[in-house]
Amino acid sequence: KAGVTQTPRYLIKTRGQQVTLSCSPISGHRSVSWYQQTPGQGLQFLFEYFSETQRNKGNFPGRFSGRQFSNSRSEMNVSTLELGDSALYLCASSLEPSASGEDTQYFGPGTRLTVL
Amino acid sequence: GDSVTQMEGPVTLSEEAFLTINCTYTATGYPSLFWYVQYPGEGLQLLLKATKADDKGSNKGFEATYRKETTSFHLEKGSVQVSDSAVYFCALSVGASGGSYIPTFGRGTSLIVHP
Repeated sequence: KAGVTQTPRYLIKTRGQQVTLSCSPISGHRSVSWYQQTPGQGLQFLFEYFSETQRNKGNFPGRFSGRQFSNSRSEMNVSTLELGDSALYLCASSLEPSASGEDTQYFGPGTRLTVL
Repeated sequence: GDSVTQMEGPVTLSEEAFLTINCTYTATGYPSLFWYVQYPGEGLQLLLKATKADDKGSNKGFEATYRKETTSFHLEKGSVQVSDSAVYFCALSVGASGGSYIPTFGRGTSLIVHP
């Protein structure tokens, strides 16, 4: 079974631009979560989608948004990029929403975003 | 709020040495606890988990016991290998509103194992 795939793997943008990252979950998985990983802040939860609905959202500004499609693929968008948005963005999928902490999340390799 | 504290790295060991990576947490409610491993250039992989007090999670020779009295979930392995070199993350998840669980991660501990 194919794992979680994320595209693109690397991206370079300039301040003020916007960016869209894509995540394809493992086949059959309906929940997709997004995380930002930086050396300074570590790994921080962005949001979780299930059945095309956002179920949870972390403490990030409104410039960060996402969506999920009917085939469970998800995209996240960052508008008006800032230098501090440079990070590794990780996507994780699971069969069901993260209820009870029981369902295992499977992570993709991430998209490395560099903002110049 | 909820938080996870891990020991600072890097932890440098020789092959076959004993490994301990400390993890303590603060949480409202009763969290589930996790250890993830991240190899260079890859995403995180779940290594083990425990969902209630005194549970022991184990996988690939790694173990961690959920200690509610000390709010700890230390990772141990009896004999490390060079292939264990990676970054290890301790994490918790606690029910939030609507019954959903938002995970909180530690900062990660880098492990370097020399032959």
